[in-house]
Amino acid sequence: GNSVTQMEGPVTLSEEAFLTINCTYTATGYPSLFWYVQYPGEGLQLLLKATKADDKGSNKGFEATYRKETTSFHLEKGSVQVSDSAVYFCALSLYRSNDYKLSFGAGTTVTVRA
Amino acid sequence: DTAVSQTPKYLVTQMGNDKSIKCEQNLGHDTMYWYKQDSKKFLKIMFSYNNKELIINETVPNRFSPKSPDKAHLNLHINSLELGDSAVYFCASSSHLTEAFFGQGTRLTVV
Repeated sequence: GNSVTQMEGPVTLSEEAFLTINCTYTATGYPSLFWYVQYPGEGLQLLLKATKADDKGSNKGFEATYRKETTSFHLEKGSVQVSDSAVYFCALSLYRSNDYKLSFGAGTTVTVRA
Repeated sequence: DTAVSQTPKYLVTQMGNDKSIKCEQNLGHDTMYWYKQDSKKFLKIMFSYNNKELIINETVPNRFSPKSPDKAHLNLHINSLELGDSAVYFCASSSHLTEAFFGQGTRLTVV
């Protein structure tokens, strides 16, 4: 089956530190890969995505590259801010004809201290 | 305009009651979903509807019944609520062209 494994948290960083959250996946076929972010008390928002091998998704200073050879989609940000404190979810989807079912990782809670 | 909206945002109810959560999307998507997020933040799909037709029904107690009156709405009805049903429930929608968009969630607390 399809599954996502991501680095367990919680992760606590100081402002301007470098952030990496590891994510690896198992899938039959060629999935699309996503990072979603959940800020405190809110729903999930798409942070970035990549739909094929070697694609790089980027948004708000975050980046992740779809690595087929290592089945990975690690999230990185060079300099985090307090406002980046949130739960980050790696997810994959194998789009079929009529749905876009997402399989999520367990989520990584990130806290950035001023 | 809110793309995917759920009501209510908070729901506190007693064990044994029946309750509903409503979801509406104004994105013109043809597929809608319900996800459950437990206390450890783990997300699991419950149901998926495409053009009002049920296409995913994960291992969910039959006390949970989704209803889709039209493509823009997917409601979740829960009978005989139990303590273990306490969670945050997220509605989402997607199309063949886009990824899933999520609502703000409904925090259900069963006491």
